[in-house]
Amino acid sequence: QVGLVQSGAEVKDPGASVKVSCKASGYTFTEYYLHWVRQAPGQGLEWMGWINPSSGGTSYAQNFEGRVTMTRDMSISTAYMELNRLRSDDTAVYYCARVYWVTNAFDIWGQGTMVTVSS
Amino acid sequence: HSALTQPPSASGSPGQSVTISCTGTSSDVGGYNYVSWYQQNPGKAPKLMIYEVSKRPSGVPDRFSGSKSGNTASLTVSGLQAEDEADYYCNSYTGRNYVFGTGTKVTVL
Repeated sequence: QVGLVQSGAEVKDPGASVKVSCKASGYTFTEYYLHWVRQAPGQGLEWMGWINPSSGGTSYAQNFEGRVTMTRDMSISTAYMELNRLRSDDTAVYYCARVYWVTNAFDIWGQGTMVTVSS
Repeated sequence: HSALTQPPSASGSPGQSVTISCTGTSSDVGGYNYVSWYQQNPGKAPKLMIYEVSKRPSGVPDRFSGSKSGNTASLTVSGLQAEDEADYYCNSYTGRNYVFGTGTKVTVL
């Protein structure tokens, strides 16, 4: 069964870093790009960036350049998103989602990881 | 890329149709046939409803249809049902990156 399972909720202090994981199953990990999308409470979806699990290549939204790093571990079919210098407005649910390069559509989503930034 | 523009809300009675617009620029919606639409219920992850402007994934009812004209894409839900009440987001490829719409809350009256 195809799926993405994310790590659990996190509570962080302002200025800290958070690293969220996304484990893929049921398909060939290297055949689909993995994207990260976040949603602040009561707000819309915000695209953050993608990683090519095969090459490790990445592309980030301008809003996150310099503060986000996306990596992967092919041996365990897992992608990671690390966000640094956290601020209160980074409080959001973070989703990973699979995208096939032919369709450019987010067809499988993780369950989401709530990250709360608060002192 | 700024977020694509969607109306904040749309509504219709059961059995009626509702159409949601998604307006971008020639650098996103108008430049590529890679517009997709997502349905999101409260507390849930989004679900893919339409991809490549007008294609439906397996399992999505044919009441959902998509189209595009110039820099504006549209999602139409025909024969509205109570279960269609949700938030809907468009998304467009931008050449290397992606951008989501502002979201539309659909209410079934």
